[in-house]
Amino acid sequence: DMKVTQMPRYLIKRMGENVLLECGQDMSHETMYWYRQDPGLGLQLIYISYDVDSNSEGDIPKGYRVSRKKREHFSLILDSAKTNQTSVYFCASSLSSWGSYEQYFGPGTRLTVL
Amino acid sequence: GEKVEQHESTLSVREGDSAVINCTYTDTASSYFPWYKQEAGKSLHFVIDIRSNVDRKQSQRLIVLLDKKAKRFSLHITATQPEDSAIYFCAASIRNNRIFFGDGTQLVVKP
Repeated sequence: DMKVTQMPRYLIKRMGENVLLECGQDMSHETMYWYRQDPGLGLQLIYISYDVDSNSEGDIPKGYRVSRKKREHFSLILDSAKTNQTSVYFCASSLSSWGSYEQYFGPGTRLTVL
Repeated sequence: GEKVEQHESTLSVREGDSAVINCTYTDTASSYFPWYKQEAGKSLHFVIDIRSNVDRKQSQRLIVLLDKKAKRFSLHITATQPEDSAIYFCAASIRNNRIFFGDGTQLVVKP
């Protein structure tokens, strides 16, 4: 069953706290992504990972970092969260970076930073 | 970098009519154009795509047209149904599976 999972689904944090968002996929996809979605702004790419320990910045990497130590897991870390990082975060995966393939999205994590 | 624009932020049609969502892109090197659907409160899922070696693709009630000269592509949904109501995102990709999304079109299908 092709699936992208995200944990947690909902999270409330205080400004300055650290945040860890986790993503998993069971399709052995090479490429994984982190996006955030804000009303009226569509999807913004935070980071893209082409494989284990092969990560590249997207359009809005400031304030975020990522970790990919296993192909099936991709983590997004917010060190000292800010209120403007309140958003819905989506993880996605696709087969490979060699060629263009559809992306499979996780259910999203709704993060609120107070 | 690539910039994708969706011309309609909202679109309202009667059930059974056709809906057309238009997008333009800026980089002539873009070669892959997927569409995604997001139902209210849910995640995105892939609906259809087109590659630059063709100018038309159909999957059941969905038709995608690509005009490379005009750098324009469109999604046509025929015989719309209430379950087609959602936000539709167009996107374009140049390489390395990095895709650039439009801001979305809210489609409302009225009974």
